[in-house]
Amino acid sequence: DAGVIQSPRHEVTEMGQEVTLRCKPISGHDYLFWYRQTMMRGLELLIYFNNNVPIDDSGMPEDRFSAKMPNASFSTLKIQPSEPRDSAVYFCASSPDSSTDTQYFGPGTRLTVL
Amino acid sequence: AQSVTQLDSHVSVSEGTPVLLRCNYSSSYSPSLFWYVQHPNKGLQLLLKYTSAATLVKGINGFEAEFKKSETSFHLTKPSAHMSDAAEYFCVVIHSGGGADGLTFGKGTHLIIQP
Repeated sequence: DAGVIQSPRHEVTEMGQEVTLRCKPISGHDYLFWYRQTMMRGLELLIYFNNNVPIDDSGMPEDRFSAKMPNASFSTLKIQPSEPRDSAVYFCASSPDSSTDTQYFGPGTRLTVL
Repeated sequence: AQSVTQLDSHVSVSEGTPVLLRCNYSSSYSPSLFWYVQHPNKGLQLLLKYTSAATLVKGINGFEAEFKKSETSFHLTKPSAHMSDAAEYFCVVIHSGGGADGLTFGKGTHLIIQP
């Protein structure tokens, strides 16, 4: 398996633009997680899905952020409109069996909002 | 509520000497504990995990950690550091309730290996 795939790897955009980050989890994994990593706040869990259903989105910072998982092999994290403080590395991870199981992380998307 | 404290933001050791990365946790539930490693510009990779079996857990690349309930600690050790160990290390606690509140990452410890 290729592991968790994220695209793009780098994204530079201007304030106010819409940004869409994409993730393909490992095949057969039932859980998918979105994280944000910054120097100031460390690694934060934003939202996670079980069998394509959002289970807990309490980590999503505000309404500008939304996440979807239309099928078992694809998820998106959208920021609209983007702001400079959204600049961070966004990771997607998947887990086979439960939210307490080992998570397999993608390489991340480095987002810079100018 | 639960929390994870990684006591050192940076640790510097010489190649060939022991490594100790400290992690203390608090949890109202029986936790699962993990150590992940992140190399520059990479995603996180699991080093090892404790899930209420043996208290001494062995992981990849010669790392191990010991769960000490009385001390609420889960320190990561390695007998002899290698240059390739230079990375960021994260201690993670997950309680059985799961959810965003049930998963907590430490702030990370940056391990520096001196030649």
